[in-house]
Formats: sequence, C-alpha cells, structure tokens
Amino acid sequence: SYELTQTPAVSAAPGQTAKMSCGGNNIESKSVHWYQQRPGQAPLLVVYDNGDRPSGIPDRFSGSNSGKTATLTISRVEAGDEADYYCQVWDVTTDHQVFGGGTKLTVL
Amino acid sequence: EIQLVESGGGLVQPGGSLTLSCVVSGFSVGDNYMSWVRQAPGAGLEWVSIIYRSGRTHHADSVKGRFTLSRDNLKNTVNLQMNSLQAEDTAVYYCARPRGSYRQEYFEQWGQGTLVTVSS
Repeated sequence: SYELTQTPAVSAAPGQTAKMSCGGNNIESKSVHWYQQRPGQAPLLVVYDNGDRPSGIPDRFSGSNSGKTATLTISRVEAGDEADYYCQVWDVTTDHQVFGGGTKLTVL
Repeated sequence: EIQLVESGGGLVQPGGSLTLSCVVSGFSVGDNYMSWVRQAPGAGLEWVSIIYRSGRTHHADSVKGRFTLSRDNLKNTVNLQMNSLQAEDTAVYYCARPRGSYRQEYFEQWGQGTLVTVSS
C-alpha cells in the first residue's frame, strides 16, 4: 500500500517560516492536499491540489510538489498556527485515500 | 451554510455493532461523494469509507466486510453501519465531504466528529 512520510515535528518562532515535508513514491505525479488540526478540533483543509488555497485560508499558507517531496510552507508563523498538519493523496493502486502520519508544528 | 453533524457514537463491547449518522445541510448528499475518516486516540487520520454519487461504496481494508455505508437522500444523511467492532476501531469518526477531480479528491468540509469506544 502507498505510504506518505512526514517529519514528526517542526518548530518555528513567531514571524519566521515553517516548512514541513511529505514524501512518497512518485509523489510528484499526484495531487497533494494539506490539513491543519488544532487540539480537540476537526481537521481543516489549508491547501489542495498541491498549491491552491480554499477561501478564507491566509496566503501565509502555500504548498509545492516537485522532486520527491511535497512541501507545506507557513510564512510569518503565528501562535495560532500551532497544530498538527497532515498531507493526503489518492492511491491509484488501492483506490484509497491515504494520509501521512502528521507533523506537529510548535510555535516557540 | 454548510454543516455536517455526526451522531451515534458511544461505548460498545467488542463484537458489537453501532451506526453513525451524519446529517448534512447546505448541499445534497445524493449529488456528492461522502466519506468517513477516523482518528484513534493520539494517532493520525485514517480514511475509512466513501460513497459515490452512483451509490457505489468503497472501504479501507481494515473495515471491509464489517462496515457498510449508505445514504438517505430524503433525510440528507449518510450512515455508517459498523459490525464486529474491535478495540482497534476505537476512534473519533469524522464525516467529510470529498471534492475535486476524480481520484484526486480532497476533504473540503468536515463534521465535528463522534467518539466510538470499543471496550468491555
């Protein structure tokens, strides 16, 4: 089955940039989506189709997908960005949606 | 306003059954894909099931043969019937709306989740 690998933890000070990666076999050929999940809350879509943002998501959130890694970048990090972030793709082999294990962002 | 509201969670013994419901407002379940995603305590997200506009369903291997997904277009509701529940099924279950291109879907809207605990 297809697996997505995410760095378990990332930290950034307020105002700095946080980058988190999502790796998988041939991921550059897939549409990668990203979710933010604050403690005790449901996930929130922050980036879809590699780099598009839903309405209401600030442009501090951006995504890219090239090489062997997809990346979620959060610019000008704020305290409210502290959360778990998950990447997600559709796996052609199993016809399943697949999530990465998640990255915990700590704002210092 | 779009809302997805889950209900039906609770404590159930191993081997037991439970049905979760997701009441939707703001769009028609019959015109959309609908899905369930779960999250075990302290763990990440796991996709569970999807129902397509055609009514065809698809399930994760971990629940295939035990879980059934259906919808009621009149009540604008999707239901997840869970049988032969095991401790590993303990999780918060989220109802979610898949959007986007076929086989590139993402989950645009989510409910608040309902907790299922399987324990004796």
